Amino acid sequence: EDKVVQSPLSLVVHEGDTVTLNCSYEVTNFRSLLWYKQEKKAPTFLFMLTSSGIEKKSGRLSSILDKKELSSILNITATQTGDSAIYLCAVLSSGNTPLVFGKGTRLSVIA
Amino acid sequence: DSGVTQTPKHLITATGQRVTLRCSPRSGDLSVYWYQQSLDQGLQFLIQYYNGEERAKGNILERFSAQQFPDLHSELNLSSLELGDSALYFCASSVGHLTGELFFGEGSRLTVL
Repeated sequence: EDKVVQSPLSLVVHEGDTVTLNCSYEVTNFRSLLWYKQEKKAPTFLFMLTSSGIEKKSGRLSSILDKKELSSILNITATQTGDSAIYLCAVLSSGNTPLVFGKGTRLSVIA
Repeated sequence: DSGVTQTPKHLITATGQRVTLRCSPRSGDLSVYWYQQSLDQGLQFLIQYYNGEERAKGNILERFSAQQFPDLHSELNLSSLELGDSALYFCASSVGHLTGELFFGEGSRLTVL
């Protein structure tokens, strides 16, 4: 059974801090790893990482895929209160299974 | 706004009852996915439809059923409700079958008393 584990489960930081969120996975026939941000309700897509695209960056957010270690990190620099959310990691395999999500990391950024 | 519409946003009902959750996917998307999110379990995949046909099934209880109609909207039916069914139910859509980037609706929060 495909499995995605995120750590830490929750994190409290101050504005301006840099944070690193972790995601490890066990899947057969890995295709891609995705990061989503869930603020109040609907998760929204951040990044997709594949074997051909192991690093992505958008503004203060960046993510790297380590296929050897079967893991990924999501970095957020110069955090702002608007970054407070649950960050979800998900993995897509080539089997007949849609995205498998981890339980998420709840990030709280305080002023 | 993702373009995915879910109704109702909130629903309170009693144990043993039956409810129907409705989802309209983004324009042009053929796949609809249903996920259940509870505090301790995270997002759990229930079922997926592609262009009207069931294509993948997750840990969906026998008391739950779903369908996708010719106009591509989908309904999730939950019956013989139990306290443990209280959760946020998300619908998501994508253009293709089993693609990574999903577009989620705002969810339907179900409370079973």
